[in-house]
Amino acid sequence: QEQLVESGGGVVQPGRSLRLSCAASGFTFSIYGMHWVRQSPGKGLEWVAVISKDGNNKYYADSVKGRFTISREDSKDTLYLEMNSLRGEDTAVYYCAKARGSFVYYDMDVWGQGTTVTVSS
Amino acid sequence: QSVLTQPPSASGTPGQRVTISCSGSTSNIGSNSGNWYQQVPGTAPKLLIYSSYQRPSGVPDRFSGSKSGTSASLAISGLQSEDEADYYCAAWDDSLKSWVFGGGTKLTVL
Repeated sequence: QEQLVESGGGVVQPGRSLRLSCAASGFTFSIYGMHWVRQSPGKGLEWVAVISKDGNNKYYADSVKGRFTISREDSKDTLYLEMNSLRGEDTAVYYCAKARGSFVYYDMDVWGQGTTVTVSS
Repeated sequence: QSVLTQPPSASGTPGQRVTISCSGSTSNIGSNSGNWYQQVPGTAPKLLIYSSYQRPSGVPDRFSGSKSGTSASLAISGLQSEDEADYYCAAWDDSLKSWVFGGGTKLTVL
């Protein structure tokens, strides 16, 4: 079955960097777009970034633009989120999600279990 | 403040029909599909409705979606205790070039 497993979360100081990974299995990773979505403690879902199947199109939420970078490595069936200049408001559970199609405007149909990022000194 | 507007809470008794609304604009729901997600606290979200009306396989037909103009709606009929969860609408926004979520609606089964 289709499965996504996130890793790389942890506690990090403000201003530092962290890279999240998302390992995919059970589907042909290379033909689907992929998303990152986050959820701060006690808050709702916030979309973070999306990448198209070929990696040529990437879009970001204004709150992370210029600080976060989404990328993919199809040979490893893995999605990444490089997070720089981290702030307290970036503290959240980060979910990766498979898009229902190849392009950025497809919704998220399969979700991972999430990885927790805590930004604190 | 979310781009998509949902009521913060909704409730119903077992067997009842409940509707949750999601108000957007011409750049998101008005020109693209509405999608709905269910999240039981402490677990990952689950896709309930896509393309405004479609149900993924495995989602009971008690759940249905609709769209009118710049608004989308999720209806749950035959309410069950396990439907108690948070529900989120989402859509692609052509102007923002981003995905947007509603603030979420907490459904309580009385």
